[in-house]
Amino acid sequence: AQSVSQHNHHVILSEAASLELGCNYSYGGTVNLFWYVQYPGQHLQLLLKYFSGDPLVKGIKGFEAEFIKSKFSFNLRKPSVQWSDTAEYFCAVIISGGGADGLTFGKGTHLIIQP
Amino acid sequence: DSGVTQTPKHLITATGQRVTLRCSPRSGDLSVYWYQQSLDQGLQFLIQYYNGEERAKGNILERFSAQQFPDLHSELNLSSLELGDSALYFCASSAAGAYEQYFGPGTRLTVT
Repeated sequence: AQSVSQHNHHVILSEAASLELGCNYSYGGTVNLFWYVQYPGQHLQLLLKYFSGDPLVKGIKGFEAEFIKSKFSFNLRKPSVQWSDTAEYFCAVIISGGGADGLTFGKGTHLIIQP
Repeated sequence: DSGVTQTPKHLITATGQRVTLRCSPRSGDLSVYWYQQSLDQGLQFLIQYYNGEERAKGNILERFSAQQFPDLHSELNLSSLELGDSALYFCASSAAGAYEQYFGPGTRLTVT
């Protein structure tokens, strides 16, 4: 079965700092990868997704992620964070071509941006 | 707003009781997924339905069951509730053949 690891459980940054959140997955085959964000008291929102093609994907709100197949990684980045980026970030994976399955999530990273 | 709706928003009940959570997927989506989010277990996939049929099972307890109706809304039934069942329960939906899932606002269940 696949699994997802997010290395940083809590990250505190100042506004305008650059952000990189780590995500590694374990699965030998082809996967589809996602980053979701959960703002305080709200539901999960899709930030970005990778299925195939260009390993650098751009999402909403200035976020991007890079898929590195050799490292089984899908790290999330943002060049300059804002206070409004304070939220919980989840990396998720689903097996490609599986047809029937749910998302496997990492434990999440709680990001706090200080003004 | 993702287009996925869930009711109720909050539910408080006692141990041993049974509750039903309801989800309406985005218009046109045939797949519905249920997830449980708790502090100790994180976000866990419970079960998937596709066009009325059970499609995949995750870490769903035997005390829990779900169904999807002809109008595509889904219900998650939780019975013989225990304190440890207190959690946020999310529903998500996806279009046929699509991998990305869109989540509803969740139902916060508190078992006392």
